Amino acid sequence: DAGVTQSPTHLIKTRGQQVTLRCSPKSGHDTVSWYQQALGQGPQFIFQYYEEEERQRGNFPDRFSGHQFPNYSSELNVNALLLGDSALYLCASSFPRADEQFFGPGTRLTVL
Amino acid sequence: GEDVEQSLFLSVREGDSSVINCTYTDSSSTYLYWYKQEPGAGLQLLTYIFSNMDMKQDQRLTVLLNKKDKHLSLRIADTQTGDSAIYFCAEKSGGGADGLTFGKGTHLIIQP
Repeated sequence: DAGVTQSPTHLIKTRGQQVTLRCSPKSGHDTVSWYQQALGQGPQFIFQYYEEEERQRGNFPDRFSGHQFPNYSSELNVNALLLGDSALYLCASSFPRADEQFFGPGTRLTVL
Repeated sequence: GEDVEQSLFLSVREGDSSVINCTYTDSSSTYLYWYKQEPGAGLQLLTYIFSNMDMKQDQRLTVLLNKKDKHLSLRIADTQTGDSAIYFCAEKSGGGADGLTFGKGTHLIIQP
């Protein structure tokens, strides 16, 4: 049983560029949440997708957007990258309103 | 807004018990979680407790919840070198919100 997978593992971009990160949920899960973890910090909730719609959003600007596909996989897009967007981006999957969220290994984004 | 606080470091001797503490402010929290993160890895769900419980035990792990004081602890019995990691406390609010709020993490250091 495959767990949550994310791609790519690492990514380097420059300021002003755009980036797309991808996530495949754990088998049987249909809800995907995205988190940003800056160095030395705990993860911060970006948003959650269910039934291909954004269901809940944290305190992140509109530069952060997402998408969920019919197979429940998801993308996180960040436009106009800033140095402060450098972080580990974590995807978590779950059943809707479930107790447990299972995390992937993350994508390390470096913005130069 | 919600806030979750943890001490940054805990050092214990191998074979002793480790107790990691966490305080939170959201009185509507429904679930409280402990996640483990090893270097360069994503988050591993260790255990979680529903807010109407005061204790949960799972093998070497014991979670204690004092809802009145909004205090959560994780006890790891017989601490081993493999337990060396960062431990995150997280809470999920009520009202149908699924996004988790995390603390900054406690680095558990094991002395031989």
